[in-house]
Amino acid sequence: AQRVTQPEKLLSVFKGAPVELKCNYSYSGSPELFWYVQYSRQRLQLLLRHISRESIKGFTADLNKGETSFHLKKPFAQEEDSAMYYCALLGQGAQKLVFGQGTRLTINP
Amino acid sequence: NAGVTQTPKFQVLKTGQSMTLQCAQDMNHNSMYWYRQDPGMGLRLIYYSASEGTTDKGEVPNGYNVSRLNKREFSLRLESAAPSQTSVYFCASRHLLDGRAVSYEQYFGPGTRLTVT
Repeated sequence: AQRVTQPEKLLSVFKGAPVELKCNYSYSGSPELFWYVQYSRQRLQLLLRHISRESIKGFTADLNKGETSFHLKKPFAQEEDSAMYYCALLGQGAQKLVFGQGTRLTINP
Repeated sequence: NAGVTQTPKFQVLKTGQSMTLQCAQDMNHNSMYWYRQDPGMGLRLIYYSASEGTTDKGEVPNGYNVSRLNKREFSLRLESAAPSQTSVYFCASRHLLDGRAVSYEQYFGPGTRLTVT
């Protein structure tokens, strides 16, 4: 079974502090992992995907197959990072994404 | 290029009333999805359509029906609304290649906020 777990429903950090949003997954094959973000009053949008190995808005995420994790990190949080973040998994040959429960990140000034 | 559009943006229903949420995309994607978003529950898939003419149940299909009207449009119907269906509904689309999702971005609509009293 495919499952994505985001253990923190809420995360609050101060501006300038490092941020780490946790994501763990359960999947027997080689998944593709994504982070989606939803800013206030906006639609969900793709933030980054592991195969791209890119940094978007200062965020990075590394797929750790040994720990089955795909944590999202940013060294210095900014107020505009406040949003809802969803981790998502796409299994091999799958037609649909499996989403985690989401983490609401709040950056305090 | 409007992407994924949804109507209406807001709706209030009384228990037992019916309504249809409309979704359309202009990106020539072959697969479309309906999700509901609830606090603490994340995004849950209601139904999806991998290609025109096919529909499949997702995680929480009870109380809903869907119609893939054509390649562009995918509607969600609540036949007899219940307070438990109060939620924000999102439509999404992506491209499948040979029936499999590839690393193409999934695009979301702006959402419909539905309240059932």
